[in-house]
Parts: sequence; structure tokens; C-alpha cells
Amino acid sequence: ETGVTQSPTHLIKTRGQQVTLRCSSQSGHNTVSWYQQALGQGPQFIFQYYREEENGRGNFPPRFSGLQFPNYSSELNVNALELDDSALYLCASRPTGGNSGNTIYFGEGSWLTVV
Amino acid sequence: QKEVEQNSGPLSVPEGAIASLNCTYSDRGSQSFFWYRQYSGKSPELIMFIYSNGDKEDGRFTAQLNKASQYVSLLIRDSQPSDSATYLCAVTGSNTGKLIFGQGTTLQVKP
Repeated sequence: ETGVTQSPTHLIKTRGQQVTLRCSSQSGHNTVSWYQQALGQGPQFIFQYYREEENGRGNFPPRFSGLQFPNYSSELNVNALELDDSALYLCASRPTGGNSGNTIYFGEGSWLTVV
Repeated sequence: QKEVEQNSGPLSVPEGAIASLNCTYSDRGSQSFFWYRQYSGKSPELIMFIYSNGDKEDGRFTAQLNKASQYVSLLIRDSQPSDSATYLCAVTGSNTGKLIFGQGTTLQVKP
């Protein structure tokens, strides 16, 4: 039990549609990151938010966007879905000032299938 | 060159044997090193982290770090069928919190 919950767990979308994935972190976890894991690959860093501001981004196009809210919840939004967006999307949170290693907690992920 | 490289496997070992999983990384500034276990259809679960050169042991698991060679490994002693999973190596830079993962090594432990 990591205290990080994600929803929905599975969803199917059509190419061109938009999707919003949600994550709820533990109280005090001011940093949240999102990762995309395609089948057979390791997770790829999408972006990171700290106190509601984006403070790091991976090699993903602008149609991937996010929000972080004061209640330690966050969202990942993907516009104009493409078939290659089909993946497991992982939310990870950590407390501010925590040792950056052992205190990164992953949620169970959201499986997105784009058809 | 990938930032973090792992042999995708599968690595097959008999039950009770030692499984050795290896990982190399390209950024000499990397400071923190992690091993995650991922069962099929599940999210990654942190099993070991190491920051300093040398060995770190936790139960049946030993992580080894050699920063000069940019190499990190995970040894699993007395391997069990329940250890069968994909093992992901990940590194972070200086206090960024961004994890850079390898593609993972699939371990199969045969009874």
C-alpha cells in the first residue's frame, strides 16, 4: 500500500479523443510525477509538478499536460490521442525534502488503450 | 546510447540459485540508484536503493554499485518462483527526483 491511488484503472479511447487520468497522493507529498510505460519498455518520465507548478518535463509533446491541486491530487491530460499513446500511465509522489530515493511511491497505474 | 541499459532477458535460473541482474548508466552525475520489481500487469515496486559505492544487503537481495564503471547490479539469493518478474533499474540525478529507467530484465525462476 503506497498511499497513491489512480483512476480509472483501465479505459479505452478512440484515436483523436482526449483523456484525463487522475492521481491522489498522500498528505504532504508535494511532488508528483507522471510516467508512461509502453508494453515491454521501462517507464518514461513525462513531467513533474511541485506545489502546482510544472518543474520538469520529459520528451513528450505539448498535448500531454498536467495539473496539480492543493489537496495533493493531480491530473494527466492527453489530447488528440494516437495509437502509440496506448500504455500504462503511472503516477509517483514523494514528500518535499524526502530522500529522493526510498520515498518515491507509485500508484497502481491506469491502463489506456487507444483504438 | 540509452541512458540506462539492461539486458531484456529472459534470465532463467533454477529455484534456490543466485540470480544476477545487471545495469549500466551513461550519466556520471547520477546519484541515486534503484531496483524495482514489476509483476505482469502491476506497477513497479521498489525493492532496493543504493547511493554509495559498494554493496547493500536487504534479506535475500544485494545491490552493488560501482560508480567508476557506471554499473549497478542486483543479486537475488535463494531465488524463488515468486521472484519471477521484470526487474527495472532506475537512476536519478542530483535531487531532481526524475527517475530514468532501463527497459527491464525478465527473470524466470523455475521450480
